[in-house]
Amino acid sequence: SYVLTQPPSVSVAPGKTARITCGGNNIGDKSVHWYQQKPGQAPALVVFDDSDRPSGIPERFSGSNSGNTATLTISRVEAGDEADYYCQVWDSSSDHVVFGGGTKLTVL
Amino acid sequence: EVQLVESGGGLVKPGGSLRLSCAASGSTFRNAWMSWVRQAPGKGLEWVGRIKSTDEGGTTDYAAPVKGRFTISRDDSKNTHYLQMNSLETEDTAVYYCTTLAVLYFDGLPNSFCFDYWGQGALVTVSS
Repeated sequence: SYVLTQPPSVSVAPGKTARITCGGNNIGDKSVHWYQQKPGQAPALVVFDDSDRPSGIPERFSGSNSGNTATLTISRVEAGDEADYYCQVWDSSSDHVVFGGGTKLTVL
Repeated sequence: EVQLVESGGGLVKPGGSLRLSCAASGSTFRNAWMSWVRQAPGKGLEWVGRIKSTDEGGTTDYAAPVKGRFTISRDDSKNTHYLQMNSLETEDTAVYYCTTLAVLYFDGLPNSFCFDYWGQGALVTVSS
């Protein structure tokens, strides 16, 4: 089955840029989606189809995908961005959804 | 704006059954693909299964850990879909989220899926 690998944690100072990676075999051939989950809340979609943003999501959130790595980039990080972030793809070979293990973003 | 409200969570003994409901408002439910995602305490997200829209056949698909034990169904007249969970195991303890499933098409065929709206979650605890 298809596997997505994320770093367990990423730390960044306020105002700086955070980059959260999601690794998978030829993930660049797939459409990658990203979710933000704050403590005690349901996840929320922040980027879909590699780099599109749902309405209401700030432009500070962006995504890219190429080769074996997809990346969620958060510019001008704010304290309110502290959360767990998950990447997700659809594995067409199994017709199943796959999530990465999640990355905890800490704002220093 | 879509609102999803889960109900039916609770404590159940191993081997028991439980049914979760998800009531939807604010959208054309009949055309929506629906899904369940769960999260064990302190763990990551895990896809449980999905049901296609009625217009596209209403067929279901499940993740391997729950296949044969869990069943997803829908009642479009009530804007509600259900997760019937049988033969529950302690490993099924989790918060269960109801979601809508956005289908992304390429050349007229489904190319990917993402979860665009989420309920608040229902806690299911399997313990003796």
